Amino acid sequence: NAGVTQTPKFQVLKTGQSMTLQCAQDMNHEYMSWYRQDPGMGLRLIHYSVGAGITDQGEVPNGYNVSRSTTEDFPLRLLSAAPSQTSVYFCAVQLASGVYNEQFFGPGTRLTVL
Amino acid sequence: AQSVTQLGSHVSVSEGALVLLRCNYSSSVPPYLFWYVQYPNQGLQLLLKYTTGATLVKGINGFEAEFKKSETSFHLTKPSAHMSDAAEYFCAVSDRDNFNKFYFGSGTKLNVKP
Repeated sequence: NAGVTQTPKFQVLKTGQSMTLQCAQDMNHEYMSWYRQDPGMGLRLIHYSVGAGITDQGEVPNGYNVSRSTTEDFPLRLLSAAPSQTSVYFCAVQLASGVYNEQFFGPGTRLTVL
Repeated sequence: AQSVTQLGSHVSVSEGALVLLRCNYSSSVPPYLFWYVQYPNQGLQLLLKYTTGATLVKGINGFEAEFKKSETSFHLTKPSAHMSDAAEYFCAVSDRDNFNKFYFGSGTKLNVKP
């Protein structure tokens, strides 16, 4: 039972390049989210999904795309990377329950855009 | 949208001293409240949560937090700090009617001096 996995752990991109950050879960949780973590700003929600085929924007969605074709996977796409997207990215999963709605986080992907 | 304020980006205590990390939220309707801990180069781990019921919540590693509606606060405490408590701590809230969207504070780095 791996929980929440993210790949890659580290990535360096040049401005304008594209890439996909992968997030996979084996917890069968309906909700999945992407956050970015920047110094002094905590975690900010980029996009989230309440189930396969359903996604919505968070606080800072610009420059990122997501899709959710399966319960297990929730990739985050950067179509044209910018230095402002240098950050640590975390994927989180959550049960669809009104009480036990703890979020479980992956280990993170550290992205540098030159 | 919710906002979460954590007073003090850095807190330093001596080993054995009281730990107090402050968190205030903005919503007039009490949200779900969480404290997460992040050790260096790792993801976030849930310390404790308040959803309903008793306002004093006990978590892992000897931490506890008290929900005070009148003060819109959810401060984290530990009676006696240990060196292993050195980490970054995040307060988070989610709305009771939209609990898949989390809002995080900017974090407090706890340093424990020998």
